[in-house]
Amino acid sequence: NAGVTQTPKFQVLKTGQSMTLQCAQDMNHEYMSWYRQDPGMGLRLIHYSVGAGITDQGEVPNGYNVSRSTTEDFPLRLLSAAPSQTSVYFCASSDVGTGMNTEAFFGQGTRLTVV
Amino acid sequence: GEDVEQSLFLSVREGDSSVINCTYTDSSSTYLYWYKQEPGAGLQLLTYIFSNMDMKQDQRLTVLLNKKDKHLSLRIADTQTGDSAIYFCAERGNQGGKLIFGQGTELSVKP
Repeated sequence: NAGVTQTPKFQVLKTGQSMTLQCAQDMNHEYMSWYRQDPGMGLRLIHYSVGAGITDQGEVPNGYNVSRSTTEDFPLRLLSAAPSQTSVYFCASSDVGTGMNTEAFFGQGTRLTVV
Repeated sequence: GEDVEQSLFLSVREGDSSVINCTYTDSSSTYLYWYKQEPGAGLQLLTYIFSNMDMKQDQRLTVLLNKKDKHLSLRIADTQTGDSAIYFCAERGNQGGKLIFGQGTELSVKP
């Protein structure tokens, strides 16, 4: 059981380049989300999805796109990278329902540097 | 809107108790969580508490919830050097799995 897998672990981009951060989970979770972590600011929600075909914006969505064509995958696309997007990105998944199984499982993170 | 606040740093001596505090604004929060992040790693769930509980104890960890003041705390008894990490408070409202995180408290344990 791999849990939540993010790729790549590290990436350096030039300003204006595009790329996709991959996230896959094998727990059949309905809810998936992307966060960015910056020093002193905690984790800020970028986009989230409550199921295949459904996505919504979080707190800091500008400059990022997402799609959810399957339950397992939730890629995050940077269309035109900017230095302000230098950060550590985390993908998470969880069940949506109430009850005990509401734990969010996190990937190991992708450290992105935009130069 | 929803907001979760934590102090950024805490330093304690090995063997002492650590208390990490958190305040939140969303009165409809259903669950409140404490996550631990070790250097270079993702977040791991430490413990959680339902909003209708006041206290939860799990080995060295004690979580206290004051719903009236919207205040959550995590007490770590007999703190060890291995407890050095960043601790995040998070709250979950009624909107499915959406979590709102605090800034994280960096706990430094000195021998």
